[in-house]
Amino acid sequence: QQQVKQSPQSLIVQKGGISIINCAYENTAFDYFPWYQQFPGKGPALLIAIRPDVSEKKEGRFTISFNKSAKQFSLHIMDSQPGDSATYFCAASKYGNKLVFGAGTILRVKS
Amino acid sequence: DGGITQSPKYLFRKEGQNVTLSCEQNLNHDAMYWYRQDPGQGLRLIYYSQIVNDFQKGDIAEGYSVSREKKESFPLTVTSAQKNPTAFYLCASSPTSGYNNEQFFGPGTRLTVL
Repeated sequence: QQQVKQSPQSLIVQKGGISIINCAYENTAFDYFPWYQQFPGKGPALLIAIRPDVSEKKEGRFTISFNKSAKQFSLHIMDSQPGDSATYFCAASKYGNKLVFGAGTILRVKS
Repeated sequence: DGGITQSPKYLFRKEGQNVTLSCEQNLNHDAMYWYRQDPGQGLRLIYYSQIVNDFQKGDIAEGYSVSREKKESFPLTVTSAQKNPTAFYLCASSPTSGYNNEQFFGPGTRLTVL
């Protein structure tokens, strides 16, 4: 079964610190790796996504690092703010197929 | 105002009853999806549809049914056969189920079985 394993399950970071969430996948055919952000009681929204032809993608304070050989990718949130407190999901898919989601990480940024 | 709407926001059901959750999108997207979210288990795919009048089972389709009679609508019925239906249900759509298929999610429906 195709799986995406996400860690940690929960994370507490001080304001201004770096939040790091990791994901590992099994299927080498995956070629699209998005991260979604979900606030309580709301639907998830796309935060940032990467393809395996690049090792890093940065959008503002959010960076995806991708290690194709290790089959791992991670989300880094620089200068974490209380407003970043949310649940984060990694996901993966291959062309023409549906997304497979990780179990989610609950991030709390303490002010 | 483009987007995905789900109704109702909260739904209570007695055991043995079927209930239908509404999902409508005005984004002109071809593909639509239903997910179930439980604490600590991420998003699990129930059903998806890539085109009108066609849909496929996801990973946890048992006890659920769907229809796709119109491009903009993809209602989900939770039947009495679903043993543990209390959960947060999310509907999503994407322009296509192929490459770069960013999924746009609705606000969700929280279903509670009494």
